[in-house]
Amino acid sequence: NAGVTQTPKFQVLKTGQSMTLQCAQDMNHEYMSWYRQDPGMGLRLIHYSVGAGITDQGEVPNGYNVSRSTTEDFPLRLLSAAPSQTSVYFCASSYSRASNTEAFFGQGTRLTVV
Amino acid sequence: AQKVTQAQTEISVVEKEDVTLDCVYETRDTTYYLFWYKQPPSGELVFLIRRNSFDEQNEISGRYSWNFQKSTSSFNFTITASQVVDSAVYFCALTSNAGKSTFGDGTTLTVKP
Repeated sequence: NAGVTQTPKFQVLKTGQSMTLQCAQDMNHEYMSWYRQDPGMGLRLIHYSVGAGITDQGEVPNGYNVSRSTTEDFPLRLLSAAPSQTSVYFCASSYSRASNTEAFFGQGTRLTVV
Repeated sequence: AQKVTQAQTEISVVEKEDVTLDCVYETRDTTYYLFWYKQPPSGELVFLIRRNSFDEQNEISGRYSWNFQKSTSSFNFTITASQVVDSAVYFCALTSNAGKSTFGDGTTLTVKP
């Protein structure tokens, strides 16, 4: 049981490049979400999904796209990377709509945009 | 809009002292969920506790205890007899019934030997 797996762990991008951060969970969780964590700040919700085929925007969605074609996977796409997107990204999943269950987090992806 | 405020940015205590981390939240929902997470220096996020808005019963788990008061919109976290291993950033979070989560900015706790 791997839990929530994020890849890559580290990434350096040039401004304007695109890339996809991968997130997979093997717990059959309905709810998945992406956060970014900037220095000295808490986690801010980017996008979330309450089930396969359903996604919605969080607090800071601009510059990011998501899709949820399967229960297991919830990739985050950066369309055209900007230095302001330098951050640590966390993917999380939980059994239901995150309303009454804890979230399991991946190990994080440290992204630097130069 | 919902909001979580952790007014204490940093706290430093000496081992064996008790310490309380404050969390104040704002929401218009009648049903919501409150969480505390720990982020040790290694960076991972560890779940500590969940509380539903309709359950104000306080909880104790070993050296950890939580005080939930709807009247003051607070969900405070107390560590009794702190240890060096408790040094971490602690986050309070609120999740709406629709599933949107909001985190506080975190409190960095340093426990000195």
